Amino acid sequence: DGGITQSPKYLFRKEGQNVTLSCEQNLNHDAMYWYRQDPGQGLRLIYYSQIVNDFQKGDIAEGYSVSREKKESFPLTVTSAQKNPTAFYLCAAAAPRGQGFLAFFGQGTRLTVV
Amino acid sequence: AQKVTQAQTEISVVEKEDVTLDCVYETRDTTYYLFWYKQPPSGELVFLIRRNSFDEQNEISGRYSWNFQKSTSSFNFTITASQVVDSAVYFCALSEAGYSGNTGKLIFGQGTTLQVKP
Repeated sequence: DGGITQSPKYLFRKEGQNVTLSCEQNLNHDAMYWYRQDPGQGLRLIYYSQIVNDFQKGDIAEGYSVSREKKESFPLTVTSAQKNPTAFYLCAAAAPRGQGFLAFFGQGTRLTVV
Repeated sequence: AQKVTQAQTEISVVEKEDVTLDCVYETRDTTYYLFWYKQPPSGELVFLIRRNSFDEQNEISGRYSWNFQKSTSSFNFTITASQVVDSAVYFCALSEAGYSGNTGKLIFGQGTTLQVKP
């Protein structure tokens, strides 16, 4: 099936530990994004990438890192510098439609600090 | 600055009622796109509609309809004859494509939780 796959669905992190969230897409879309969702809030952009080997910080990039070595993969690492990492993380991929983009989302990873 | 406001945090209706979800946006760009996404309990965001800033035609898709008014910077979403399966969180989002750059980044509202009771 075509789409975006995020893994794992649930992830638990100990204090001071780095964890990596996986995002893979087979839509052949150039652009990929990571958003964070906190309870009762909208999604906020962490990082995005419009092309392989290039990525840009979003609004809340501190404490996170990404890589884009392959078009289909955009993993997100939550580092120990992120003081409040418990949240729901959503990955998206987008392709140009007209002058803009149309984004499709994965099913998310719920990260909890224990 | 760009911003999306969904003032209704939660709405509860009884099945078959009509319900309107409000969305107000702010942008300095003249070229932009507005979206509605649905987030069911499973968590994935499901795309519902995209509208560009040059197209103010209202749209109807089955029980769903959207009213875009640039004069009031609003992009409201109406569900007619609501059903229990419509229960979800609904997000309005903005993507700028003019002088702010065309990156596909989305600015989301806070979301409206819709509960449809049988």
